[in-house]
Amino acid sequence: GQNIDQPTEMTATEGAIVQINCTYQTSGFNGLFWYQQHAGEAPTFLSYNVLDGLEEKGRFSSFLSRSKGYSYLLLKELQMKDSASYLCAVRDPRPGDYGQNFVFGPGTRLSVLP
Amino acid sequence: DTGVSQNPRHKITKRGQNVTFRCDPISEHNRLYWYRQTLGQGPEFLTYFQNEAQLEKSRLLSDRFSAERPKGSFSTLEIQRTEQGDSAMYLCASSFRTGSNTGELFFGEGSRLTVL
Repeated sequence: GQNIDQPTEMTATEGAIVQINCTYQTSGFNGLFWYQQHAGEAPTFLSYNVLDGLEEKGRFSSFLSRSKGYSYLLLKELQMKDSASYLCAVRDPRPGDYGQNFVFGPGTRLSVLP
Repeated sequence: DTGVSQNPRHKITKRGQNVTFRCDPISEHNRLYWYRQTLGQGPEFLTYFQNEAQLEKSRLLSDRFSAERPKGSFSTLEIQRTEQGDSAMYLCASSFRTGSNTGELFFGEGSRLTVL
């Protein structure tokens, strides 16, 4: 089956660092994605990991351990505008020419307080 | 490149009516996905297309839902005999995967359905 878990809510202070965890169990794996979604808006792509290790992108970093089925998104120097939901998604390939599917977690709602 | 476009953005309908949503993907993207999202939840997969072929449909999807992508360009999602439980945001996303890119999804702004 397909299962992706994330904490439901997190709160942090402006200027701080926050780590949002994601664990997954999927039938296949071909990359893990993090998306940011502000209330009432579409998700936007933040980061991508397909190999183990850390990918850094400005204030955002994402880590992957395929053997543990685990990823985290690290946000540094938090700003008020970072208040949003953060979605973890796994790309699950299909055999043959059947393409691929993206399975999303429930999302973590982050509130950044002054 | 104007991004993924969805319409209508909002639809209010009475229970039992049929509704249709349209999605225009980014022009060079060959893959198109439909998701449903309710408040406080992540997007739930409905179906996806590679070019004009519908490759997968969620087993959770009732037979009241049907999607098409004629000629591999825009797509429509139709819900027949709507129920109050169909109230949600319907998100369309497209992607183009090569050996050297990440192939991430690009989402439209969504079509919000309210069934009274």
